[in-house]
Amino acid sequence: GESVGLHLPTLSVQEGDNSIINCAYSNSASDYFIWYKQESGKGPQFIIDIRSNMDKRQGQRVTVLLNKTVKHLSLQIAATQPGDSAVYFCAENMMGDMRFGAGTRLTVKP
Amino acid sequence: KAGVTQTPRYLIKTRGQQVTLSCSPISGHRSVSWYQQTPGQGLQFLFEYFSETQRNKGNFPGRFSGRQFSNSRSEMNVSTLELGDSALYLCASSLEVTSTGELFFGEGSRLTVL
Repeated sequence: GESVGLHLPTLSVQEGDNSIINCAYSNSASDYFIWYKQESGKGPQFIIDIRSNMDKRQGQRVTVLLNKTVKHLSLQIAATQPGDSAVYFCAENMMGDMRFGAGTRLTVKP
Repeated sequence: KAGVTQTPRYLIKTRGQQVTLSCSPISGHRSVSWYQQTPGQGLQFLFEYFSETQRNKGNFPGRFSGRQFSNSRSEMNVSTLELGDSALYLCASSLEVTSTGELFFGEGSRLTVL
């Protein structure tokens, strides 16, 4: 049969606004979570990570929030810039078994 | 410091052939992991090597195999290629095993199977 591509959620924001990208993970035993950014034609690039013993971690312009109760991860990007346009993936890691979400395509409008 | 280098960047094969992809990790990194990325399935974990030993393996058939050399360079092989093997194959390296830290990805090898 015909294969259907993953329907990537999309998020479009105005330059300068804050962006929030959400991700639901599957394994309650996962203990390490990572956000990656992938620009067209490139490999994924690490943005920020968080371990399961934390619920919030901040980087430069980015914050990751972890809610283990509902198995939810979010990435907040402050003052979004055109260079932030990319596909963003969350990943969960349990004992070396790395699983990636489908990704969200972020478009920043000038 | 040079990043993760994957070769070849692009290749075209026909069904039934086999292919070998190469990955040179960042200097000093001992872990190399491989991933398949397709529009239909997204990013999927293939396997991870650390100190020449396979530590973890994803849910792929035995046609997919890999190895790591003493200098941490890694190769993956796909035998008896199928059309569905067309994908971007990504390699990532890390200092230690993937469960402990940041992964650095290469730009991938794009395989097209005709």
